[in-house]
Amino acid sequence: DTGVSQNPRHKITKRGQNVTFRCDPISEHNRLYWYRQTLGQGPEFLTYFQNEAQLEKSRLLSDRFSAERPKGSFSTLEIQRTEQGDSAMYLCASSSVDRGTGELFFGEGSRLTVL
Amino acid sequence: GEDVEQSLFLSVREGDSSVINCTYTDSSSTYLYWYKQEPGAGLQLLTYIFSNMDMKQDQRLTVLLNKKDKHLSLRIADTQTGDSAIYFCAESLRGFQKLVFGTGTRLLVSP
Repeated sequence: DTGVSQNPRHKITKRGQNVTFRCDPISEHNRLYWYRQTLGQGPEFLTYFQNEAQLEKSRLLSDRFSAERPKGSFSTLEIQRTEQGDSAMYLCASSSVDRGTGELFFGEGSRLTVL
Repeated sequence: GEDVEQSLFLSVREGDSSVINCTYTDSSSTYLYWYKQEPGAGLQLLTYIFSNMDMKQDQRLTVLLNKKDKHLSLRIADTQTGDSAIYFCAESLRGFQKLVFGTGTRLLVSP
């Protein structure tokens, strides 16, 4: 299977703990995106990378959130000092600029529950 | 601004056609997309349309684009119970730098 892979699929944590999610994109894709989705809402853009460069960050991404893509392949999203409001599905997607059609291919998501 | 709007809910009977509507705001969007999300899962790309087209057909799916009114629709012919899901439209911004999604339309198909 060469789709987008996310780990862990589910994470339950206590308020104040740090959590990290990993995303492995489709191998030939040079762009990688993180979105957040809460119940009853559409995905909200958080940040994206082209290769290893982080090109845009949303205002939603507070300083407790950090994302990296150190070698231009997999990416991690870390949330420090989690709050209950961070509970959401964190979706990763990848795309290829070369396709010229811009569609994103999503992983199954990592669901975070903060108690 | 970045705002994509959809109606929240649609209920149809199996075998009927479903039409899901969307309005978007960015007139410079190059492509517009429809995604499907089943419970607990990620988003699956269904189809997309280039902004200089007004219609695209792909098997049971027909996409209509009215660029003047910034209105996009997805028609599903012969709707099946397996089509029950949440459908999101999305617009591309600034040369595919990101996609902006609507709030989603929950489609319920009853037998």
